[in-house]
Amino acid sequence: DGGITQSPKYLFRKEGQNVTLSCEQNLNHDAMYWYRQDPGQGLRLIYYSQIVNDFQKGDIAEGYSVSREKKESFPLTVTSAQKNPTAFYLCASSMPHRGAYGYTFGSGTRLTVV
Amino acid sequence: SQQGEEDPQALSIQEGENATMNCSYKTSINNLQWYRQNSGRGLVHLILIRSNEREKHSGRLRVTLDTSKKSSSLLITASRAADTASYFCATEEDDKIIFGKGTRLHILP
Repeated sequence: DGGITQSPKYLFRKEGQNVTLSCEQNLNHDAMYWYRQDPGQGLRLIYYSQIVNDFQKGDIAEGYSVSREKKESFPLTVTSAQKNPTAFYLCASSMPHRGAYGYTFGSGTRLTVV
Repeated sequence: SQQGEEDPQALSIQEGENATMNCSYKTSINNLQWYRQNSGRGLVHLILIRSNEREKHSGRLRVTLDTSKKSSSLLITASRAADTASYFCATEEDDKIIFGKGTRLHILP
């Protein structure tokens, strides 16, 4: 079955550490996205990529970094510069003309700073 | 930036009743989408309505779009316990989709 997989499901980070969240899709989608969700809130866009080897900052990119070396993969690194990283992180993918088809989401990674 | 805004923020209804959620947005759109999120999970795409459409149905879901008022509504008929979730509207802005803060729907037994 095609889908989008995020791992790990839960992640704990110590102060000052960088951590990387994985997002893999086998849907042959060109575009991939990272969102952050805080309790009771909507989704805020961190980074997005419309094509391999290219990505753009979203609304809250500070303290995060991404890479898009393969079509299937769009990992997100939460750096020590992100002062409040505890949140639920969601990855999504879509076909080109994403507006016509909607997004497919992963199940999310819950990151907690300890 | 935030484009869509859902109303109400929270809604509790009895099982079997209909649930209506509204979404208002600010700029012109090509389409508007509705998503559902169960607690602690990813979002699931429910339905997309294009700017030249006024109403769309999918099973127990009915979505309307009024571009003159920049608003949309999602109606869930004959609600079930499994409909308990958060519902988000989303609109395109440039080449990305912007989500509202959602409506939390709770179906009472």
